[in-house]
Amino acid sequence: NAGVTQTPKFQVLKTGQSMTLQCAQDMNHNSMYWYRQDPGMGLRLIYYSASEGTTDKGEVPNGYNVSRLNKREFSLRLESAAPSQTSVYFCASSESQGGDTQYFGPGTRLTVL
Amino acid sequence: KNEVEQSPQNLTAQEGEFITINCSYSVGISALHWLQQHPGGGIVSLFMLSSGKKKHGRLIATINIQEKHSSLHITASHPRDSAVYICACAGNKLTFGGGTRVLVKP
Repeated sequence: NAGVTQTPKFQVLKTGQSMTLQCAQDMNHNSMYWYRQDPGMGLRLIYYSASEGTTDKGEVPNGYNVSRLNKREFSLRLESAAPSQTSVYFCASSESQGGDTQYFGPGTRLTVL
Repeated sequence: KNEVEQSPQNLTAQEGEFITINCSYSVGISALHWLQQHPGGGIVSLFMLSSGKKKHGRLIATINIQEKHSSLHITASHPRDSAVYICACAGNKLTFGGGTRVLVKP
């Protein structure tokens, strides 16, 4: 099992460009999450999907959209990237929402110039 | 005040020393997680606990629900334990502490 995979690993964008971060899990988990990690801020939840067909905002959703394409895949889209979105983005999944152990992807390091 | 506070923020130890990292929280939780993030960036779940104590190898995690406090102990620390350790409280979603950066010197 690959666990949680993310693409790309690194990306550099110019202000105003758009891109989609891809995430997939092969553990048949119901819940999936997108986090960003900034120095000194810890991990912050952007969006989550408690189950296939549902998505909800987290702590810092502005500037992002998500799609739960199917049970395996959960994508994060930046429509018009801003320098404030420079961060490391992690996708995670868990069997169900709430207290279950979350399994993290390797992260995507995004720089917006 | 953050809902999940960790201390210390940074810790340096000599190989073999006993290390303790603390986590205090103010939110209601169903469980508390300890995560490890290595210098390469990957995040791994170490423990999930809702009461008492769990042990895995040289790592021990405890939680006191009444005092809203958890500790992560590393016995006989080793340079490969150098990482950032993150406490996360599980309610409807995970709320993370800021992490404790641990450096173990040989």
